[in-house]
Amino acid sequence: EPEVTQTPSHQVTQMGQEVILRCVPISNHLYFYWYRQILGQKVEFLVSFYNNEISEKSEIFDDQFSVERPDGSNFTLKIRSTKLEDSAMYFCASSAERTNSPLHFGNGTRLTVT
Amino acid sequence: AQSVTQPDIHITVSEGASLELRCNYSYGATPYLFWYVQSPGQGLQLLLKYFSGDTLVQGIKGFEAEFKRSQSSFNLRKPSVHWSDAAEYFCAVGANSGYTPLVFGKGTRLSVIA
Repeated sequence: EPEVTQTPSHQVTQMGQEVILRCVPISNHLYFYWYRQILGQKVEFLVSFYNNEISEKSEIFDDQFSVERPDGSNFTLKIRSTKLEDSAMYFCASSAERTNSPLHFGNGTRLTVT
Repeated sequence: AQSVTQPDIHITVSEGASLELRCNYSYGATPYLFWYVQSPGQGLQLLLKYFSGDTLVQGIKGFEAEFKRSQSSFNLRKPSVHWSDAAEYFCAVGANSGYTPLVFGKGTRLSVIA
């Protein structure tokens, strides 16, 4: 079964550094998402992406965050200047359709900001 | 805006016993409902989904869930739990018209004892 793959599985960075989290969505999917889960808390929506532009974003997704689909397969989340509170598990997801279609999630990248 | 409540933070059941995980949602129209499971160190795997039609839906790994509109509930059940079912379970709700991001509950952690 096709999978969403994320790299790296764990990223440690110092506060103020830039990080890029990478995702390869399922190949025939057109809609891409980032969610995050702070330890012990709920999974929260960050951003959705379609047709090379952001479709929706949450209040969490401020100017420090950006997303990009640099080629036909990768989907990245960049955090420009990391803060301690950015420490979380970041999940990439993709879906075939915008509605009426389940999200398929990757295994996540655990980001630790020190 | 939609919301999801999972009233039980942690449940412990004996192997072979039956299981019911509760999920209540708030949404103004007919929702799309999902259950995802997260094993330690893993991503979110879709167990089952409800879009329309039969209110009792079957999923993978022997799980089922029943949509009860009158109670705004979508409880997950399994008749006989296996030790490998120990994981975190998330209920999620999406909109069936227009688009809003999938909203997750806080999750229920299931422990299975011998």
